[in-house]
Amino acid sequence: SQLAEENSWALSVHEGESVTVNCSYKTSITALQWYRQKSGKGPAQLILIRSNEREKRNGRLRATLDTSSQSSSLSITATRCEDTAVYFCATSSGGNYKPTFGKGTSLVVHP
Amino acid sequence: ETAVFQTPNYHVTQVGNEVSFNCKQTLGHDTMYWYKQDSKKLLKIMFSYNNKQLIVNETVPRRFSPQSSDKAHLNLRIKSVEPEDSAVYLCASRPTGGTSAETLYFGSGTRLTVL
Repeated sequence: SQLAEENSWALSVHEGESVTVNCSYKTSITALQWYRQKSGKGPAQLILIRSNEREKRNGRLRATLDTSSQSSSLSITATRCEDTAVYFCATSSGGNYKPTFGKGTSLVVHP
Repeated sequence: ETAVFQTPNYHVTQVGNEVSFNCKQTLGHDTMYWYKQDSKKLLKIMFSYNNKQLIVNETVPRRFSPQSSDKAHLNLRIKSVEPEDSAVYLCASRPTGGTSAETLYFGSGTRLTVL
């Protein structure tokens, strides 16, 4: 069963708008990562946020983590066409390290 | 910048054939993974190797077998492919220690189509 899951299958915005992708997970975690996968490429990490952190930023990206509700969000401000991709959250819980990915949210940014 | 290299990019084959995919990483990482991504983009871990040792072996059919000659290489062989094996196979690596120890570095994948 999926231990991490994004809450929307697909989102569509226009360039310059902001967008938020949400993720929920079911187990205790040590860290949560956000990845982006562009067409024809493998996923690439955007942000890693640890269980003792509440917020992390990377340029136009902002990730939050709420361990009490077991949820995370990734916000992108001033979106660009090149932000068009599938966004995944991935959780890890120490031990035998095998990151578990959510189903992904497809984001399309229109010019 | 690509540092995890997968070959081939695409492979089309018939049911029952054997296929092999190659993966090489030039990052000096100790741990490598194979993930399967289906048509709905769902990513599932298949295997993980640490310094040539198998450490994670999820429930995958026995026709799948990983092979590692050294810590920089992790290949995947599928004996007698089935239609449900059609997917993108993604190789990844990660460092053992340091601040980015949880970060996976993926290759661009091998897209397998089984006719």
